Amino acid sequence: QLVLTQSPSASASLGASVKLTCTLSSGHRSYAIAWHQQQPEKGPRYLMKVNSDGSHTKGDGIPDRFSGSSSGAERYLTISSLQSDDEADYYCQSWSTGIRVFGGGTKLTVL
Amino acid sequence: QVQLQESGPGLVKPSETLSLTCTVSGGSISSYSWNWIRQPPGKGLEWIGYIYYSGSTNYSPSLKSRVTISIDTSKTHFSLRLNSVTAADTAVYYCARDSGDYFDSWGQGTLVTVSS
Repeated sequence: QLVLTQSPSASASLGASVKLTCTLSSGHRSYAIAWHQQQPEKGPRYLMKVNSDGSHTKGDGIPDRFSGSSSGAERYLTISSLQSDDEADYYCQSWSTGIRVFGGGTKLTVL
Repeated sequence: QVQLQESGPGLVKPSETLSLTCTVSGGSISSYSWNWIRQPPGKGLEWIGYIYYSGSTNYSPSLKSRVTISIDTSKTHFSLRLNSVTAADTAVYYCARDSGDYFDSWGQGTLVTVSS
């Protein structure tokens, strides 16, 4: 069964960098994932797809401050030069034939 | 750029059927899968199901017995029906597009409250 695991919360200071993690369940470590950002009181927005080799494809207009990478069963979202409007919930999402799956989300606080 | 807009009643009574429509503009509905996703207040995202432009469907196992997703013949919108609703179905409902993998476009969402 495809399951995505995320830490519930993370925090970092304004101007710093933060790395969020999404862990794929056993047997699914070769899967790609997507990252979505949900700012307060808004709908989600697609950020990027991250492949198992670490390559990533960003959505339109996503700043260079956002990047993706991979290691084993883990997929990462790194945000550099944190800004106040990066404070949001970040969800990873993956897929298999006939299903779509979300992680539980990570709430990022910018201090 | 494709845009998606959800519409439908904001209040549904317990045991009745929730019905929502997602209107697609600015792009073709062909060659994509069209999804419904929901988010209960203060909680995470839950995938409900999708319909392929050809009409084939796949649903979340946890909701499969109560869900129907359809697409209209002119293929400019698709719909969600969720029957026998309870308070646990209160959520913001989103529609989203994917091309077989990730959701690349989202609607803004619509809140549906289940209450008598």
